[in-house]
Amino acid sequence: DTAVSQTPKYLVTQMGNDKSIKCEQNLGHDTMYWYKQDSKKFLKIMFSYNNKELIINETVPNRFSPKSPDKAHLNLHINSLELGDSAVYFCASSQDRRTGGFSYGYTFGSGTRLTVV
Amino acid sequence: AQSVAQPEDQVNVAEGNPLTVKCTYSVSGNPYLFWYVQYPNRGLQFLLKYITGDNLVKGSYGFEAEFNKSQTSFHLKKPSALVSDSALYFCAVRVVINTNAGKSTFGDGTTLTVKP
Repeated sequence: DTAVSQTPKYLVTQMGNDKSIKCEQNLGHDTMYWYKQDSKKFLKIMFSYNNKELIINETVPNRFSPKSPDKAHLNLHINSLELGDSAVYFCASSQDRRTGGFSYGYTFGSGTRLTVV
Repeated sequence: AQSVAQPEDQVNVAEGNPLTVKCTYSVSGNPYLFWYVQYPNRGLQFLLKYITGDNLVKGSYGFEAEFNKSQTSFHLKKPSALVSDSALYFCAVRVVINTNAGKSTFGDGTTLTVKP
């Protein structure tokens, strides 16, 4: 059973298109994240949801919109794709409740490689 | 704001030799510190963590890390490197945002290459 699964694994699309990446976790975790890994392998947080509530919203263009229908799912929708959006996007989850949850590591998905042409 | 520095982009060691991947951090309050490993075309995998207690923590695949509060460091170590340890390693620090959420900041990563 895959703990954190992302679809699609690869996404090639033209500039200006709108696309979505889906993420699901079956670990029962209460917090989910989106991270962007650029061509230099730097990893930057984009969004975090805790029990469907937006907790972290870093400086990300508003073309990026996360949606969390329930605590097991966190999707990322991107409007008007640009060349600079090409990257690998990772979904992750963790158990972040106050009772020691912050001591748990993250479980990452295998990533979605987005290429904008 | 918290930050993490991994001063070396690349670490090269010979198989069987000890390895060290360096990490320093800056955070208000007590840090939660983590190491992750990323193999090519894969997501990050949790290796080990320091939360409290013994400064030397042990993790997966024979890795360990030493927490040094005075030097604000959390270096990753392994007594005897394997070729299969070659990967990208990330140090991360986590802070509490509120009672229900924390935020992790990752270093820029260090590529470890172990040569036979």
